[in-house]
Amino acid sequence: EPEVTQTPSHQVTQMGQEVILRCVPISNHLYFYWYRQILGQKVEFLVSFYNNEISEKSEIFDDQFSVERPDGSNFTLKIRSTKLEDSAMYFCASSVDSYGYTFGSGTRLTVV
Amino acid sequence: EDQVTQSPEALRLQEGESSSLNCSYTVSGLRGLFWYRQDPGKGPEFLFTLYSAGEEKEKERLKATLTKKESFLHITAPKPEDSATYLCAVQAPRNTDKLIFGTGTRLQVFP
Repeated sequence: EPEVTQTPSHQVTQMGQEVILRCVPISNHLYFYWYRQILGQKVEFLVSFYNNEISEKSEIFDDQFSVERPDGSNFTLKIRSTKLEDSAMYFCASSVDSYGYTFGSGTRLTVV
Repeated sequence: EDQVTQSPEALRLQEGESSSLNCSYTVSGLRGLFWYRQDPGKGPEFLFTLYSAGEEKEKERLKATLTKKESFLHITAPKPEDSATYLCAVQAPRNTDKLIFGTGTRLQVFP
């Protein structure tokens, strides 16, 4: 069964450093998303991406965050200057028709 | 404001003891309601999508139902491998396809 692949599975970074989280969505999917889940809290929407541009973003997705689809297969989330409160599981998801997403296994980001 | 509330927060069942999980939602117009299963340290795994009141879907020991205000996930004769957190999420229209999640129900099934 096709799956969304995320790398790395765990990333530890120092506060103020830049991180890039990587995702390979399912190949025929057109809609791409990033969500995050702080430990013990709800899964929260960050951003959606379609047709090579951001279609929607949440209040969390401020100027420190950016997304990119650098080639036909990868989808990345960059955090420019990490803060302690950015520590969370980050999930990439993709969808063929914007219904019923498939999520990846996530990247655990720890900011120290 | 669109909102999703799940209950109970946690549920312990003996193997074979059937039960239901509840998801109440408040949205201005429902595009779809989704159930996911999440294992510790993993991403949500898709279970069901429901679109309109009265709709039901089944998969093995799980059955999801939908009314205009809530959805139920019925678990029949659960097994220990059904232990997980079950997440409910909604999509509302107004040109958005983002999912709004509830906090989940943590289910433990013991032998």
